[in-house]
Amino acid sequence: EDQVTQSPEALRLQEGESSSLNCSYTVSGLRGLFWYRQDPGKGPEFLFTLYSAGEEKEKERLKATLTKKESFLHITAPKPEDSATYLCAVPSEGGSEKLVFGKGTKLTVNP
Amino acid sequence: DAMVIQNPRYQVTQFGKPVTLSCSQTLNHNVMYWYQQKSSQAPKLLFHYYDKDFNNEADTPDNFQSRRPNTSFCFLDIRSPGLGDAAMYLCATSRDRGNRAYEQYFGPGTRLTVT
Repeated sequence: EDQVTQSPEALRLQEGESSSLNCSYTVSGLRGLFWYRQDPGKGPEFLFTLYSAGEEKEKERLKATLTKKESFLHITAPKPEDSATYLCAVPSEGGSEKLVFGKGTKLTVNP
Repeated sequence: DAMVIQNPRYQVTQFGKPVTLSCSQTLNHNVMYWYQQKSSQAPKLLFHYYDKDFNNEADTPDNFQSRRPNTSFCFLDIRSPGLGDAAMYLCATSRDRGNRAYEQYFGPGTRLTVT
C-alpha cells in the first residue's frame, strides 16, 4: 500500500524563523515527488516536482530537496503570506495517473 | 487566464437528495480528476478521465458517478448523499499521461454540506 507521511502536522513560526517540513514515502520505484500548497478553502497549487535523489528546486523562500526515502521543504525567513498547508504527493505504484497525497503540514507564520 | 472553474463553490443538499457538482477548464487538458477532501485529511481520488476513458478508484462508492460530455466539462453526481459525504470536492486537470499527469491544476473546490 502506498504511504506518504508528513511531519509535523502543524508548525508555528515567527516571521523570519527558518524551518523544514518533512515528507517520507514508502512507495518503491519512485516516479517523482510533488509538493503542493493549499490555502484555506482553496484547491492545492502545484509548487515543485523532484525526480531523483539529490535533486533540489527553489522558489522564492522555499527549497525542496529529495533523498531516497524522504523529501524536505525548507522555508527560509518565512513571511505571514507563506502560511498555508503544504502537501506532498507521490504517484501510485499502480502506474496510473493517480497521486497519493500526504495529510499535509499546516504552517502558520506569525508577524 | 486559463483556469479550472468549479460551480457552485458552496452546495447544501438534503440527506438522500441527488446533487451534481460541475467543473470546467480552459486549459485544454486531457485528464480531469475528482477528489474528495475532508477536514485535515489528504485529498482522496474518486475517479479520473483520460479524454473519454473513465477510471474509477476501487474504493469509490457506487453512490458517486461522473460524466465528461466534452473536453472542457466534467460533472460529479452524488445519487443519494449521506452525512458522511459532506466534504470539499476538488476538480483537477493535467496535461497528459506520464510524468505530466502529476502536475495537476486544481479548481477552488465545492464545499458540500448535507443536512
